[in-house]
Amino acid sequence: GAVVSQHPSRVICKSGTSVKIECRSLDFQATTMFWYRQFPKQSLMLMATSNEGSKATYEQGVEKDKFLINHASLTLSTLTVTSAHPEDSSFYICSVQQGAVRNEQFFGPGTRLTVL
Amino acid sequence: QKEVEQNSGPLSVPEGAIASLNCTYSDRGSQSFFWYRQYSGKSPELIMFIYSNGDKEDGRFTAQLNKASQYVSLLIRDSQPSDSATYLCAVNSGDSNYQLIWGAGTKLIIKP
Repeated sequence: GAVVSQHPSRVICKSGTSVKIECRSLDFQATTMFWYRQFPKQSLMLMATSNEGSKATYEQGVEKDKFLINHASLTLSTLTVTSAHPEDSSFYICSVQQGAVRNEQFFGPGTRLTVL
Repeated sequence: QKEVEQNSGPLSVPEGAIASLNCTYSDRGSQSFFWYRQYSGKSPELIMFIYSNGDKEDGRFTAQLNKASQYVSLLIRDSQPSDSATYLCAVNSGDSNYQLIWGAGTKLIIKP
């Protein structure tokens, strides 16, 4: 399957700061990437679908002005958490879809964000 | 609302036994079915996918699909302590080219 990296793997920041998370598809040109959030002991929650060269599609209840997504190339998507607050502390995971027919997704290792 | 249901567990299985994980889904238009394994603190890893009714075997893993009953399962033979993880069932949305609908996951514990 596709190999996906994320950076940073862990970040601790003060409340009010912005944090950028990078997701890279290392061996596959991904027109579609996904951003998920996972709180402790809960399941994955899709935040948005990132489409190369166009605006991201956000899920209901996810603030697009707070979670800025940029998918400027076929190998890189970024998620910026603006003015982060403690309630934004979570595990953020990106994935790439490989194959328009079979829909399987391959995940990056995730970024653990802690907002103090 | 389209849903994927899994028993949250934990499901405790002795080492060497067969672990059986189950999943039901509501969207009759779904065509692709996936099982992911997630270790604590890690991201999900794809372990099996199935598209046709019946069984699909890959090593110690067997995925079973019954579209009429809207049911998909994962069997793990000769369970090992390293199989202890949360197993997520995912199903493609029948009206979307790419979106997956996720179950909440079943926590599996293999006891030595």
